Amino acid sequence: DIQMTQSPSSLSASVGDRVTITCRASQSISNYLNWYQQKVGKAPNLLICGACSLQTGVPSRFSGSGSGTDFTLTISSLQPEDFATYYCQQSYSNPVTFGQGTRLDIK
Amino acid sequence: EVQLVQSGAEVKKPGESLKISCEVSGYDFAKFWIAWVRQMPGKGLEWMGIIYPGNSDTRYSPSLQGQVTISADKSTSAVYLHWSSLKASDTAIYYCARRGGTGSPIDYWGQGTLVTVSS
Repeated sequence: DIQMTQSPSSLSASVGDRVTITCRASQSISNYLNWYQQKVGKAPNLLICGACSLQTGVPSRFSGSGSGTDFTLTISSLQPEDFATYYCQQSYSNPVTFGQGTRLDIK
Repeated sequence: EVQLVQSGAEVKKPGESLKISCEVSGYDFAKFWIAWVRQMPGKGLEWMGIIYPGNSDTRYSPSLQGQVTISADKSTSAVYLHWSSLKASDTAIYYCARRGGTGSPIDYWGQGTLVTVSS
């Protein structure tokens, strides 16, 4: 199985901050990397697919980059509704695997 | 509108059987894969397996193979997750989720079903 490692595991930040979350795959996954946001008590929501393609309706302050094994999710200016847990996921091969999650808290 | 609607919360005892459901609407049921994803209390997302309702092709995560059964019913546009003998460690929220073909992300999720297994 391909292992996905996110860092940091948790992060405290303030409204307006720029935040970057990284995700590393144990082998090359090309650009088959997706990012999800999960709020407490809710199902995950797809933010970015194909490493950098923003889903319809996702604010432009979210962006993704990377290819191969190293990827990043950036939030350019944190808003109150962005405090949540973020997961990366590889869809390159089965079984699909998720990172362990990054919990983003208000400082 | 694409919707995945899951069955309600369950409380079971160890050793009991259980089948939870995911009813889909708003698209051609037979043409998209449906996955099951587990989230244990306070933990992350874990891929359990996936089924293609068009031909019932089913793939399981190696770590969960044999512990659950995934099935689909085209007549009701529903996918099921079945346990024959529950364990306390099966306590979790279970999400069904739609996925396109190989390489595609999960684009729609059900609301989740909480399964609690306790004596």
